[in-house]
Amino acid sequence: DAGVTQSPTHLIKTRGQQVTLRCSPISGHKSVSWYQQVLGQGPQFIFQYYEKEERRRGNFPDRFSARQFPNYSSELNVNALLLGDSALYLCASNRQNTDTQYFGPGTRLTVL
Amino acid sequence: ILNVEQSPQSLHVQEGDSTNFTCSFPSSNFYALHWYRWETAKSPEALFVMTLNGDEKKKGRISATLNTKEGYSYLYIKGSQPEDSATYLCAFNAGGTSYGKLTFGQGTILTVHP
Repeated sequence: DAGVTQSPTHLIKTRGQQVTLRCSPISGHKSVSWYQQVLGQGPQFIFQYYEKEERRRGNFPDRFSARQFPNYSSELNVNALLLGDSALYLCASNRQNTDTQYFGPGTRLTVL
Repeated sequence: ILNVEQSPQSLHVQEGDSTNFTCSFPSSNFYALHWYRWETAKSPEALFVMTLNGDEKKKGRISATLNTKEGYSYLYIKGSQPEDSATYLCAFNAGGTSYGKLTFGQGTILTVHP
């Protein structure tokens, strides 16, 4: 079975621009979560979506938004990019009511 | 704000050495503790999910223990091999309204020298 996939692998943007990151969960997984990982720190939770609805939200500004589609894939959008948004963005999926989240390889975003 | 701490930050061992590292987490509102292994340029790989106080889990040469009353978990690697070199992350999953939101430690970087 294919694992969690994310696109693109790398992205370079400039301050003020907007970016969209994409995630496809493992087949059969209905829950998708997004994390931001800054160098030297552990991943930080941004959002969790289940059945196309936002279930949990982390401490991130409103510039961050996400959505989940009927096929359970998800997009993370970040508006008005800041230098501090440079990070690895990880997507994870899991089945309903199970604990283990399976991660994709991430999208490396660089903001110049 | 939940605090999950891992120690040491990094560790260098020789092939064949056994090693262990620690994850500390809040002892209240506990639901589950996760361990992940993250090799460079790959996806974090789930190792264990631990939910019960006193839990011990084992996968090959890697094992983990859990103490929810005092808020810590140990990860052990027996007879380290160079392929064990990776960052090991623990993640705390609180119950209730925070269920499903993983709070990660900063990781322990393990380097195993041949």
